[in-house]
Amino acid sequence: DTGVSQNPRHKITKRGQNVTFRCDPISEHNRLYWYRQTLGQGPEFLTYFQNEAQLEKSRLLSDRFSAERPKGSFSTLEIQRTEQGDSAMYLCASSLAGVSARTFFGQGTRLTVV
Amino acid sequence: AQSVTQLDSQVPVFEEAPVELRCNYSSSVSVYLFWYVQYPNQGLQLLLKYLSGSTLVKGINGFEAEFNKSQTSFHLRKPSVHISDTAEYFCAVSSNFGNEKLTFGTGTRLTIIP
Repeated sequence: DTGVSQNPRHKITKRGQNVTFRCDPISEHNRLYWYRQTLGQGPEFLTYFQNEAQLEKSRLLSDRFSAERPKGSFSTLEIQRTEQGDSAMYLCASSLAGVSARTFFGQGTRLTVV
Repeated sequence: AQSVTQLDSQVPVFEEAPVELRCNYSSSVSVYLFWYVQYPNQGLQLLLKYLSGSTLVKGINGFEAEFNKSQTSFHLRKPSVHISDTAEYFCAVSSNFGNEKLTFGTGTRLTIIP
């Protein structure tokens, strides 16, 4: 168990550019979640996958955001035409299905849009 | 929909003193309750969770929390804190519908004073 891995750890981009983040969950976990955390706030749910199916998307996930999880393994989160308001920590988490299953979080990708 | 309120954004406590971090929640359905800790430059770690059964839940590092349904609270306590407990603490809820997405509070920064 190597934990949930996120890359890159930090990303600085110019407004209007596209960025993509990667999350590698714990290998046997079939559920994968994306959260966003801004300064002084708790993490906010963005979307989640069960295997390769994206089952729920938050209203926070505008049309500029897209997430994929091909083959139910790693996941990518892409933000198109970044805006300064997109600056945040993007967290990935994974778990097995089931209420008693524990959710493990990655260290996050910190995005700064300048 | 659920919401979580953490009444204290910052709590300073002397080393070896007791501490209580407060959490109240609102939900129209039954929920599961969690406390997570975030140490500097680390991912969120689960401290403890309440799913059902005994309302007093014991977690890691000597922390415990008590679920009070009538007061919709899930306060976190530790009888004697250490310098290493300095961190951000997040209360979270999930519905019992089975998708296990978490709704977090805004966090409480616990600072231990030597």
